[in-house]
Amino acid sequence: QSALTQPRSVSGSPGQSVTISCTGTSSDVDYNYVSWYQQHPGKAPKLMIYDVNERPSGVPDRFSGSKSGNTASLTISGLQAEDEADYYCCSYAGSYTRVFGGGTKLTVL
Amino acid sequence: QVQLQESGPGLVKPSETLSLTCTVSGGSISSYYWNWIRQAPGKGLEWIGQVYYSGSTIYNPSLRSRVIMSVDMFKIQLSLEMSSVTAADTAVYYCAARPAFDSSGHYSPAEYFQHWGLGTLVTVSS
Repeated sequence: QSALTQPRSVSGSPGQSVTISCTGTSSDVDYNYVSWYQQHPGKAPKLMIYDVNERPSGVPDRFSGSKSGNTASLTISGLQAEDEADYYCCSYAGSYTRVFGGGTKLTVL
Repeated sequence: QVQLQESGPGLVKPSETLSLTCTVSGGSISSYYWNWIRQAPGKGLEWIGQVYYSGSTIYNPSLRSRVIMSVDMFKIQLSLEMSSVTAADTAVYYCAARPAFDSSGHYSPAEYFQHWGLGTLVTVSS
């Protein structure tokens, strides 16, 4: 069970869009149970996207998820200063286990 | 709203057993799968495992030999024990809830962590 692969960092200016990728294998991301979490420094993670592209109530529609093959993506449009945080993907990995990505630091320039 | 609060010793000696509890409030302990997730300083999240109120458990294969999780229905608490700890086990430990039922009340486990505790830092050092 290996961690999902995410870029270590991405950046964008306010108002722009950024996409964070999360690459796995046929043993995890293929299950279509990918979720995304936002974590501000010193805070607990917060659910942003689940089941690849579903958004919990209260999460701005600027956040969206998608998947192509074994790579899931989180796109944040209309970037805002408060979006600056670490983002983690997570996937069901078979045999009732879960695996996280290594995390991506989003910097709003 | 479900609230989770982790607690336990902040310092554990190498080779000893780490013991943490997570107190649940605002929700039914039988409505969720209860997970432990950790984050080493400056590192990413690592799923440790899960426990259901029935006592059934699933552990991360890489930690399975050292981990025991349990649920105390009367205290409405979850417990994590990790044996033979080393400095590599130094981390913030979170408990997190994964819904077992959908909005209609049907058993339909979700594949996401809906509620998180604030986490507790455990340092392994002599």
